[in-house]
Amino acid sequence: DGGITQSPKYLFRKEGQNVTLSCEQNLNHDAMYWYRQDPGQGLRLIYYSQIVNDFQKGDIAEGYSVSREKKESFPLTVTSAQKNPTAFYLCASSPTGSVNIQYFGAGTRLSVL
Amino acid sequence: GNSVTQMEGPVTLSEEAFLTINCTYTATGYPSLFWYVQYPGEGLQLLLKATKADDKGSNKGFEATYRKETTSFHLEKGSVQVSDSAVYFCALSDPAGGYQKVTFGTGTKLQVIP
Repeated sequence: DGGITQSPKYLFRKEGQNVTLSCEQNLNHDAMYWYRQDPGQGLRLIYYSQIVNDFQKGDIAEGYSVSREKKESFPLTVTSAQKNPTAFYLCASSPTGSVNIQYFGAGTRLSVL
Repeated sequence: GNSVTQMEGPVTLSEEAFLTINCTYTATGYPSLFWYVQYPGEGLQLLLKATKADDKGSNKGFEATYRKETTSFHLEKGSVQVSDSAVYFCALSDPAGGYQKVTFGTGTKLQVIP
C-alpha cells in the first residue's frame, strides 16, 4: 500500500532536548512538506523540499530543522530553540504537476514534559 | 498574499440535514481550490478539488463550485451522515511565483448527531 508513514504517533520532549519526527513516503513524490497544526489555527508550513538535497523555510521555520538525503525520507527535528513545541505535526508529499494535491501522513502529537 | 477564510465552527447538524460550509479566498494568481477532510486523530485527505472558474468538484455526495466572481468555494452536501463528522479545511494552491504553495483555512468542525 502506497502512503506516508509518520512515527512516532506520540512523542514527549523534555526541557532542552532535541527530538526528531520521522516521515517516510513510498509514493515516489518529489515534494515533501512539514506542517504544524494548533487548535483554531489551521495548518502552518514549517519547511518544504521540492527535490532531494534541497529544502526551503516555510512560514514558521524558527526552532526547527530538516534534511532531505533520500527521496523517501524527510525527517523534522524540533530543537530546544523552539519554546512552544506542543502541537500536532503533519507531513505531506505531492507529485510534480500543475496542481498541488497533497497527501498526508497520520501525524505525530508532540507534548512537553 | 493569499488567504482562505472559512466559517467558524463547530457546526452541529442532525442526520440527513443539508450542509453548507462557507469558504472565500484571496489570491494573486489563478489558484486551484480544494476541500480536505480530517477525521479524529488522522491526517488530512483530499475530498474534492476544482482547478478553474465554474468547475464543480464532487466526491462522496459533497460538492463545491469554483466561483471566481465571488471568490468562493462553498462546500455542500444534501444529506449528512454521522460518519461525516470531521474537520473540513478549504485550501488553495497558487502557481504564481513558480512554487505552488498551499494555503489552508482554519478548518470547520462538523458534528452530525443521530
